[in-house]
Amino acid sequence: GENVEQHPSTLSVQEGDSAVIKCTYSDSASNYFPWYKQELGKGPQLIIDIRSNVGEKKDQRIAVTLNKTAKHFSLHITETQPEDSAVYFCAAISPGGSQGNLIFGKGTKLSVKP
Amino acid sequence: DAGVTQSPTHLIKTRGQQVTLRCSPISGHKSVSWYQQVLGQGPQFIFQYYEKEERGRGNFPDRFSARQFPNYSSELNVNALLLGDSALYLCASSIGQSVEKLFFGSGTQLSVL
Repeated sequence: GENVEQHPSTLSVQEGDSAVIKCTYSDSASNYFPWYKQELGKGPQLIIDIRSNVGEKKDQRIAVTLNKTAKHFSLHITETQPEDSAVYFCAAISPGGSQGNLIFGKGTKLSVKP
Repeated sequence: DAGVTQSPTHLIKTRGQQVTLRCSPISGHKSVSWYQQVLGQGPQFIFQYYEKEERGRGNFPDRFSARQFPNYSSELNVNALLLGDSALYLCASSIGQSVEKLFFGSGTQLSVL
């Protein structure tokens, strides 16, 4: 089955700097890769997603890149702000099983210092 | 518009008891998925229901069961609770069976003592 690895587990940056979180996946048939932000006491919130037929997608300060050959995808946050502090999860859809089955990484705790 | 709503927000049970968690999807969403999130880990898939039928099941024992009602709301039941069932249980909804654009509720924090 699909396996998603996420790095780093913790990331601390200064306000205004950029942050990059990387994920790798194992199943080359996976075709959808969302990123979620989870704040304390809340459920994961979808912040950006990308399909396998696209190499890059941007939404204001957030961008995701996908390298299908290497089977990895990354989240880029520019001009970080204290409110970006949260746990970020990458995920991949498991094409061989239920379409409802997102496989998540273990998360990255991002701390943005003012 | 209201997002995915879950109840209760917190629950404390003892080993061997049974628990029922409830979820209302976003209006217009016909699919509900349940995930378990243990502290420090990513969510793990338990079930997906679409149009009141089970469409997928994760690697969880038969003590876990769920159902979806005609109004698309859903319940997750866990029998014979174990200490290891302590976790945040998340409900998520999507418009169709595909989980592209999956939206989560805030979860039910279950503590088993």
